[in-house]
Amino acid sequence: GENVEQHPSTLSVQEGDSAVIKCTYSDSASNYFPWYKQELGKGPQLIIDIRSNVGEKKDQRIAVTLNKTAKHFSLHITETQPEDSAVYFCAASSANNFGNEKLTFGTGTRLTIIP
Amino acid sequence: EAQVTQNPRYLITVTGKKLTVTCSQNMNHEYMSWYRQDPGLGLRQIYYSMNVEVTDKGDVPEGYKVSRKEKRNFPLILESPSPNQTSLYFCASSSHRGRAYEQYFGPGTRLTVT
Repeated sequence: GENVEQHPSTLSVQEGDSAVIKCTYSDSASNYFPWYKQELGKGPQLIIDIRSNVGEKKDQRIAVTLNKTAKHFSLHITETQPEDSAVYFCAASSANNFGNEKLTFGTGTRLTIIP
Repeated sequence: EAQVTQNPRYLITVTGKKLTVTCSQNMNHEYMSWYRQDPGLGLRQIYYSMNVEVTDKGDVPEGYKVSRKEKRNFPLILESPSPNQTSLYFCASSSHRGRAYEQYFGPGTRLTVT
């Protein structure tokens, strides 16, 4: 099955600086890579996703890049703000034994923005 | 408001005492799933359901049961809870049956088994 590794597990950046979180995956057939943000006491919420036919996607201060050859993808947050402090999860889709796609999540990165 | 609700939000119980965590969504989603979140392990899928009366095991199904008698509800049942099931549980739903699209997560249920 799919295995997703995520680094770093914790990250502190000064407000206004950029933050980068990296993930690698093992199943070359995976084709959907979402990023979820989990705020304290809440469930994860999708912030951006990318499919394998695209190398980069941006949404305001957030961008995701995908390198299918190397099987890694990254989340980039620019001009970080205090409200960006949260736990971030990457995920990759893969087919299970019945041909249905399921998400395999990384272990999470706790991002802290220092005012 | 489109949402996934879970109850209870917090639960402390003892080993062996059967419990049910309810999950309900109001988005008419076909796909529903249960995850557990543990420190350093991320989110791991317990069970999922493609539609009413269609359920299957995820990555960590041991010790859990589910049912899907109605489209909106997907309860998680622990028939004989053990301390290693102490965890944070999330229910999620998606509009795309069998496809990995955006999943909407509930607020979580923190379970402690003593």
